[in-house]
Amino acid sequence: SAVISQKPSRDICQRGTSLTIQCQVDSQVTMMFWYRQQPGQSLTLIATANQGSEATYESGFVIDKFPISRPNLTFSTLTVSNMSPEDSSIYLCSVGGESNEQFFGPGTRLTVL
Amino acid sequence: GDSVTQMEGPVTLSEEAFLTINCTYTATGYPSLFWYVQYPGEGLQLLLKATKADDKGSNKGFEATYRKETTSFHLEKGSVQVSDSAVYFCALLYNFNKFYFGSGTKLNVKP
Repeated sequence: SAVISQKPSRDICQRGTSLTIQCQVDSQVTMMFWYRQQPGQSLTLIATANQGSEATYESGFVIDKFPISRPNLTFSTLTVSNMSPEDSSIYLCSVGGESNEQFFGPGTRLTVL
Repeated sequence: GDSVTQMEGPVTLSEEAFLTINCTYTATGYPSLFWYVQYPGEGLQLLLKATKADDKGSNKGFEATYRKETTSFHLEKGSVQVSDSAVYFCALLYNFNKFYFGSGTKLNVKP
């Protein structure tokens, strides 16, 4: 399975600011995804990060709030823009495996004050 | 639409007890099914999976069988350990590469 790292591992931010989260994979992968896990909740897919084209967002998530970059097959970033306390969550990136499973990074724990 | 329903937690067991965490799904077609585990402060790890009816996934003493007739994928372990304390997520793969996750079940194992 791929080894996935995320930076930062956690952060505390002020409302109205933005935070960019990085996801690095140790091998080239076609599919990369970003999820949000609100406190005590399950995971919700934010978007699929497409290499060389715009990300595909799920219902309820928009590019202006969660811009995503995917410059190559091993790296992606998710920005949480104009943050509010409701954005406090764990943000996880994942990559697709050979048999349709997904492998997850360790997550970025974000607290917005 | 497709969905996954898990039993609510927390589930508290003594060490060496038998574990069952129920998971049922609703889906069009025949999805692949997964169990993921999240240890405190960590991301999700794939525990096991099954891709078709009657398949049994197994790993680290955990097992789950894909039951099409009951649309279920219950997680079982014969003898839990304190180190199994974590949150367990049932998941369904739809649309080739997107997952629905259940709400998660927290397991606490006491020595």
